[in-house]
Amino acid sequence: AQSVTQLDSHVSVSEGTPVLLRCNYSSSYSPSLFWYVQHPNKGLQLLLKYTSAATLVKGINGFEAEFKKSETSFHLTKPSAHMSDAAEYFCVVTQRKKAAGNKLTFGGGTRVLVKP
Amino acid sequence: DVKVTQSSRYLVKRTGEKVFLECVQDMDHENMFWYRQDPGLGLRLIYFSYDVKMKEKGDIPEGYSVSREKKERFSLILESASTNQTSMYLCASSPNFGLNVVAFFGQGTRLTVV
Repeated sequence: AQSVTQLDSHVSVSEGTPVLLRCNYSSSYSPSLFWYVQHPNKGLQLLLKYTSAATLVKGINGFEAEFKKSETSFHLTKPSAHMSDAAEYFCVVTQRKKAAGNKLTFGGGTRVLVKP
Repeated sequence: DVKVTQSSRYLVKRTGEKVFLECVQDMDHENMFWYRQDPGLGLRLIYFSYDVKMKEKGDIPEGYSVSREKKERFSLILESASTNQTSMYLCASSPNFGLNVVAFFGQGTRLTVV
């Protein structure tokens, strides 16, 4: 079994300030973890993924996330928010094993508002 | 680039109608998924398929069925549409092996049942 909890449903930041989106997961197997972003009226786009290599993962648009097994967390950060970062962000977990039908489980999403 | 194509961006259907949502992927992926997205609830898995003619229930399968007759196509069927099925529906596909799986999503179908 697996589950994902995004701890904040909304985050509001000023342009140029850091962004932190929190994600905790549970998984019966070693997990693969992802962050996806969805801009208004757009499809889901992969930001970054963790699949067992380096625990600090760099993604697109200056985002990065750190896998912490002891805390079962995969928080997403960006040092300096840009207006174009306003979107909804989803933390996603799946099982990191060869198997048919690996399911993706989504968190509830965090909506980011960036103030000028 | 991987492409996941959903047949409609917007649909309006009447209560009780049978509704078909179609999804096609062009990367020979084994897995295909149907999710619905509702504000505050994130994406919830309805059904998924890991091979032709194979299907498994997700977290909210009630009121839905699926069909996968060909590897590239995965259909979601609302047997008798109801107003509580008004939602955004997202299709996804992914390769089978769990070591480096990334899922690709379609643009979504916004279904309104009146």
